Amino acid sequence: EVQLVESGGGLVQPGRSLRLSCAASGFTFDDYAMHWVRQAPGKGLEWVSGISWNSGSIGYADSVKGRFTISRDNAKNSLYLQMNSLRAEDTALYYCAKGSRGYYDSSGYLDYWGQGTLVTVSS
Amino acid sequence: QSVLTQPPSASGTPGQRVTISCSGSSSNIGSNYVYWYQQLPGTAPKLLIYRNNQRPSGVPDRFSGSKSGTSASLAISGLRSEDEADYYCAAWDDSLSNWVFGGGTKLTVL
Repeated sequence: EVQLVESGGGLVQPGRSLRLSCAASGFTFDDYAMHWVRQAPGKGLEWVSGISWNSGSIGYADSVKGRFTISRDNAKNSLYLQMNSLRAEDTALYYCAKGSRGYYDSSGYLDYWGQGTLVTVSS
Repeated sequence: QSVLTQPPSASGTPGQRVTISCSGSSSNIGSNYVYWYQQLPGTAPKLLIYRNNQRPSGVPDRFSGSKSGTSASLAISGLRSEDEADYYCAAWDDSLSNWVFGGGTKLTVL
């Protein structure tokens, strides 16, 4: 059974940093792309970032480019999102999602999602 | 403002058939597959339809998807109370090199 467990969320002041983690199990982690998707309170889904199986291909939404960094550690079956220069509009539930294939683009899709970790940016 | 456009709400009575539309452009729906996700209240999204019209194992055949040009639709037949949820369409956008989502449709079973 695929399991994705996010952690690292919390309350942070504007301009500060936070690092999210996602622990994966139930599948061969290093075969698949991974994604971060967020959902602001009461709003819809927004894709944040994706990373290929070997970290060789990475993409970001324009809204986070230059501030967020996605990474993975295949030896630890873990996905990360380093979030710097946080803004109030980054407040959201952040989901980790598994890709259906090795690359995060249209060759695959997002097939399993974790339960999310809440990030609140406020002074 | 979402790249893909969905109606904010839809409703139906038990047993009815409802459809939810998703409108995009040539750079997303027009040139790539469409996916649908179901988000029950307080839970994570779940893949409902992949590659326009394919159902993952475990998804009832009451759910079906279709695509034509730059638009797609999700149909739910034999509506049940447990279908009350938010539904999102998604597609890869070639121009943005991003995954894009619709704004979501809240389905109410009356």
